Amino acid sequence: AQSVTQLDSHVSVSEGTPVLLRCNYSSSYSPSLFWYVQHPNKGLQLLLKYTSAATLVKGINGFEAEFKKSETSFHLTKPSAHMSDAAEYFCVVSVRISGYALNFGKGTSLLVTP
Amino acid sequence: GAVVSQHPSRVICKSGTSVKIECRSLDFQATTMFWYRQFPKQSLMLMATSNEGSKATYEQGVEKDKFLINHASLTLSTLTVTSAHPEDSSFYICSARLPTQGADNEQYFGPGTRLTVT
Repeated sequence: AQSVTQLDSHVSVSEGTPVLLRCNYSSSYSPSLFWYVQHPNKGLQLLLKYTSAATLVKGINGFEAEFKKSETSFHLTKPSAHMSDAAEYFCVVSVRISGYALNFGKGTSLLVTP
Repeated sequence: GAVVSQHPSRVICKSGTSVKIECRSLDFQATTMFWYRQFPKQSLMLMATSNEGSKATYEQGVEKDKFLINHASLTLSTLTVTSAHPEDSSFYICSARLPTQGADNEQYFGPGTRLTVT
């Protein structure tokens, strides 16, 4: 089975400071990993994805994540937070043997303060 | 990009009645669609995988007779909550995957349907 653990349920940062949302994964197979963002009353949006190509993945809105197999981690970072980044973030794992169904982490709520 | 719609966006129904939620891929054909439910402040839980022209595959613990899924065409999957009860109140989200194989194809999510059973 595969799963992800998002280590923080809430993260609060000041506008303009770096963002770090932590995610560890567990999988018996080569995983694909994703970060999705969910703004209130809006659908989930893909930020970025790792599918066995480059380990450093750049996504939309200045976000990036690094796949570290030795640490089984896929942390999401952004150099400078914007107020509009406040949302719920989900780390997601998917493997071929499960038909590529997505397994979601519990989510991290990002709060950005002025 | 690929767009997935859901209808209705919100529905309120009385206990014991059935509710149908539609999920459509608007600009692509989706051989596989997924249904999730999300409780307030919680993560998405996969309910079932819907394959066009075949029976849906349900996750453990999901009652297939209560949550009926039909994927009759390449652009439409429906979820019917039968004999709904207040504990079925939740946010139901569908997603669709492009028909190409491989993990590189991402899932595109609908905006969700808020179901309230009174």
